[in-house]
Amino acid sequence: GQQVMQIPQYQHVQEGEDFTTYCNSSTTLSNIQWYKQRPGGHPVFLIQLVKSGEVKKQKRLTFQFGEAKKNSSLHITATQTTDVGTYFCADPTGNQFYFGTGTSLTVIP
Amino acid sequence: DTAVSQTPKYLVTQMGNDKSIKCEQNLGHDTMYWYKQDSKKFLKIMFSYNNKELIINETVPNRFSPKSPDKAHLNLHINSLELGDSAVYFCASSQVFGNTIYFGEGSWLTVV
Repeated sequence: GQQVMQIPQYQHVQEGEDFTTYCNSSTTLSNIQWYKQRPGGHPVFLIQLVKSGEVKKQKRLTFQFGEAKKNSSLHITATQTTDVGTYFCADPTGNQFYFGTGTSLTVIP
Repeated sequence: DTAVSQTPKYLVTQMGNDKSIKCEQNLGHDTMYWYKQDSKKFLKIMFSYNNKELIINETVPNRFSPKSPDKAHLNLHINSLELGDSAVYFCASSQVFGNTIYFGEGSWLTVV
């Protein structure tokens, strides 16, 4: 099946540091979605990117969609302890809705 | 009201048993899903289903079967449980294929 790879798999940062997770697909994506899963919780939708080169911001979070629509990134500025969790990109192309391998973020106070 | 609800939340059972996890969504969505999340947090899609089409991930053993009595429900039945089936199972729904997915809170299955 399709694979959407994310790097890194794990990231530990000091509170206040920045964090970035990258998502790469072997195929061109029609659009990409991002989800956050808090420890012990369930994935929750953050945002969807559709256009080539699109950049969207949500407070300290910046999402980018690559020009070729094969990669995406999520950048968090000045992390806080509330940012802890696993971040997933997702490929909703077709009818299988594949999720990336996820990046688990730990924020050290 | 919880949008996507699944029961039970926790399930401990012995190898070889048959078990079901129930899922209901009150969002009026046409599409429902089952995902398996392993200890490494990988979210693997098992099934996608709407009232017209069932898509089965080819890697899912046929011991797993979805059952949908109506559009608002998609239950997961597992036969002959194995140790490797231990995981968190998430039910989810979306308006149609490809739209935003809303997840249930998960069912923690432990096979002993």
